[in-house]
Amino acid sequence: SQQGEEDPQALSIQEGENATMNCSYKTSINNLQWYRQNSGRGLVHLILIRSNEREKHSGRLRVTLDTSKKSSSLLITASRAADTASYFCATVRRSGASGSRLTFGEGTQLTVNP
Amino acid sequence: DTGVSQDPRHKITKRGQNVTFRCDPISEHNRLYWYRQTLGQGPEFLTYFQNEAQLEKSRLLSDRFSAERPKGSFSTLEIQRTEQGDSAMYLCASSLDQGVRETQYFGPGTRLLVL
Repeated sequence: SQQGEEDPQALSIQEGENATMNCSYKTSINNLQWYRQNSGRGLVHLILIRSNEREKHSGRLRVTLDTSKKSSSLLITASRAADTASYFCATVRRSGASGSRLTFGEGTQLTVNP
Repeated sequence: DTGVSQDPRHKITKRGQNVTFRCDPISEHNRLYWYRQTLGQGPEFLTYFQNEAQLEKSRLLSDRFSAERPKGSFSTLEIQRTEQGDSAMYLCASSLDQGVRETQYFGPGTRLLVL
């Protein structure tokens, strides 16, 4: 079953605007990751934030994590048409020898209009 | 291109047939994961290998599914007696054991359609 829930399910913005996507989860985690998926393609890893971190940046991406609320947000600044894709958050409950299975949410479909 | 390849990219089969998918991970990665993704949903974990050992299997992996990773390199996922409900994208990912920093790199997926 899916642990994460993304909000909104779909988001349509104009090029140049910022896009914010939210993710909530239910259990304790080791880390939370965001992935991007273009239609019908594989997933591309965007950013990983550990459970003891609150904010992380990578280029135009900013991720926050609030473990007390079991939620995360992904902000894409100055969006481009090429950012159009589905965005998924994924949590890892444990890592180490037992592996780091990802539990994905249902995703947010982002459309950036030129 | 993440460096993880999957073959075939598309497969159409008739109900009841067996199908086998292959995943070639990034060569130095010791971990390999299989996920399944249905339309409009996020991927769901199926199984995980550490080197050649299959260490975890999801309840989604019924007895019609079997996965192998001989010699800890490529992996195969076989579905026997396919059902229409097996139609989905099957994704493979590989990674290095890096504790809390472990990042999985996904292949392009194999899209299966069972008629």
